[in-house]
Amino acid sequence: AQSVTQPDIHITVSEGASLELRCNYSYGATPYLFWYVQSPGQGLQLLLKYFSGDTLVQGIKGFEAEFKRSQSSFNLRKPSVHWSDAAEYFCAVGAQYTGNQFYFGTGTSLTVIP
Amino acid sequence: EPEVTQTPSHQVTQMGQEVILRCVPISNHLYFYWYRQILGQKVEFLVSFYNNEISEKSEIFDDQFSVERPDGSNFTLKIRSTKLEDSAMYFCASSDNGYTFGSGTRLTVV
Repeated sequence: AQSVTQPDIHITVSEGASLELRCNYSYGATPYLFWYVQSPGQGLQLLLKYFSGDTLVQGIKGFEAEFKRSQSSFNLRKPSVHWSDAAEYFCAVGAQYTGNQFYFGTGTSLTVIP
Repeated sequence: EPEVTQTPSHQVTQMGQEVILRCVPISNHLYFYWYRQILGQKVEFLVSFYNNEISEKSEIFDDQFSVERPDGSNFTLKIRSTKLEDSAMYFCASSDNGYTFGSGTRLTVV
């Protein structure tokens, strides 16, 4: 079955500290992987995506993610968190071919403390 | 960068009323989608649309829901008789070789 697991429901980090948000997926085909960020009451903003090639992808706002096929993981990282990074983060997986639905994780809520 | 535009950003409707949520996908995209997110929950797939017909739908997308592409630019989601549990954020998306989401319409059913 297709699914995305984000094991951490809520993470709290200090401003300036490093961050890693975990994402594991189960998908029957070659996965396209995405990270989205959502501020309260707002829409989904794409942080980064992985289709193929270099398994370390860079995104906006200083985020990066690494695809590890052997671990079925696509963890999101940031070396130094800013207070404005506080938000909900969603990992998603979709098919290589367009037209197929995306599967979202349940999200990780990030709190940043001064 | 091209955007998917959704209107209105927030809609309040009475239970039992019909509501139409509107989306303008990216112009050269061929696939269109609706997702919803109930407050505090994850984003769930509703339906995908290609070549003027539904290509995939979830069990959530029952007979009270319908989608339409009435012209060359708009893509709409209609909920025929809204229920309290339809209150959610509804996201439109379009894709070609990538996926772009709109900013969502928050539907509140009272």
